[in-house]
Amino acid sequence: DTEVTQTPKHLVMGMTNKKSLKCEQHMGHRAMYWYKQKAKKPPELMFVYSYEKLSINESVPSRFSPECPNSSLLNLHLHALQPEDSALYLCASSQGLKGRSNQPQHFGDGTRLSIL
Amino acid sequence: ELKVEQNPLFLSMQEGKNYTIYCNYSTTSDRLYWYRQDPGKSLESLFVLLSNGAVKQEGRLMASLDTKARLSTLHITAAVHDLSATYFCAGPSAGTYKYIFGTGTRLKVLA
Repeated sequence: DTEVTQTPKHLVMGMTNKKSLKCEQHMGHRAMYWYKQKAKKPPELMFVYSYEKLSINESVPSRFSPECPNSSLLNLHLHALQPEDSALYLCASSQGLKGRSNQPQHFGDGTRLSIL
Repeated sequence: ELKVEQNPLFLSMQEGKNYTIYCNYSTTSDRLYWYRQDPGKSLESLFVLLSNGAVKQEGRLMASLDTKARLSTLHITAAVHDLSATYFCAGPSAGTYKYIFGTGTRLKVLA
């Protein structure tokens, strides 16, 4: 059983739609992450929230909008996406110790996003 | 910022053979993580290496860390088909919440 839960597992949307991806963890982790992963590539960091504040935005286009309502939840709001945004979106969490974690990141199962 | 390089990028090997995947990183780090990813699936943590000389083993996989050489290895012993997957190493970026991933090694074990 995964300790990081992502919904939905699959999402197909048109370029004018608005949708949201959701992520939840109950491990008491204080850092949460959104990654984008294309086939045969490593995960590409998009955003990091630490202690519920946005601490890293890797110059992600504004059509992706993250939100962290509380320490257990992380959302990614999507609007006016492009076909090249089709990818696997992974949520992860970690203890929230800058570079000092003795645990790995925990990843959710991902949302497979297709833009028509 | 930390840079992480893995090699080989692709590895095709016969069942029963041994091989090693290498993970080099650019700046001092005292910890390193290994993950496995099956096609279409998420990343699963394999090993957490927390100090120089750390060695961890699970089944046919053994990981080690040499912080002086800035090198971690993932050794596969007597490969079986079930080990076919992509393996990533990752290191923490000092002073940040970022983890820097290697390019990944796609392992295919042939019967």
